[in-house]
Amino acid sequence: GAGVSQSPSNKVTEKGKDVELRCDPISGHTALYWYRQSLGQGLEFLIYFQGNSAPDKSGLPSDRFSAERTGGSVSTLTIQRTQQEDSAVYLCASSLVGGESYEQYFGPGTRLTVT
Amino acid sequence: GNSVTQMEGPVTLSEEAFLTINCTYTATGYPSLFWYVQYPGEGLQLLLKATKADDKGSNKGFEATYRKETTSFHLEKGSVQVSDSAVYFCALSKGGGNKLTFGTGTQLKVEL
Repeated sequence: GAGVSQSPSNKVTEKGKDVELRCDPISGHTALYWYRQSLGQGLEFLIYFQGNSAPDKSGLPSDRFSAERTGGSVSTLTIQRTQQEDSAVYLCASSLVGGESYEQYFGPGTRLTVT
Repeated sequence: GNSVTQMEGPVTLSEEAFLTINCTYTATGYPSLFWYVQYPGEGLQLLLKATKADDKGSNKGFEATYRKETTSFHLEKGSVQVSDSAVYFCALSKGGGNKLTFGTGTQLKVEL
């Protein structure tokens, strides 16, 4: 079956511009996660959605970052006024339910480069 | 807060050699522990996990045992293959919807 997909696969943007990154989770998965993989910080959690509950935004590094999940499916991560330190690979993962018994399936990531 | 420390790479081994990648963690209580693998050009995928002390996770010839007394979850394989070349990440989760805290990753290169 289809896995987690992300688009675009690569994004180059100028400093100060806004960007939107998209994640399509596996159908039927109620939990969705965003992570960031960067040279300086490694792999770090950003935000977590579970069903219709309020998202856990505890990992977002600044108020320039936001995310939404429409209809319990597709999610968009938005970075406003991008900075060079935002350059990273942004990974999305989904699982059937948010819990340690449920495997997270990762997408291929979006490589963001801020020039 | 929670953290994971794993050995730095790259680790270079000959085929059929024994592999150990060390991983230690800091967390309150009893987190769940995971090893994820990222093969070249592919996404992260779960390799194995253990959810309580003394549990052993195993998959594809890899094993790791949850050691509460040493707060460790070292990854081992008795005989590596070229196809095992990848980046390996140790991770933990502690409640809160299984948000993962990752180590920095260890690159493994296996040569003929």
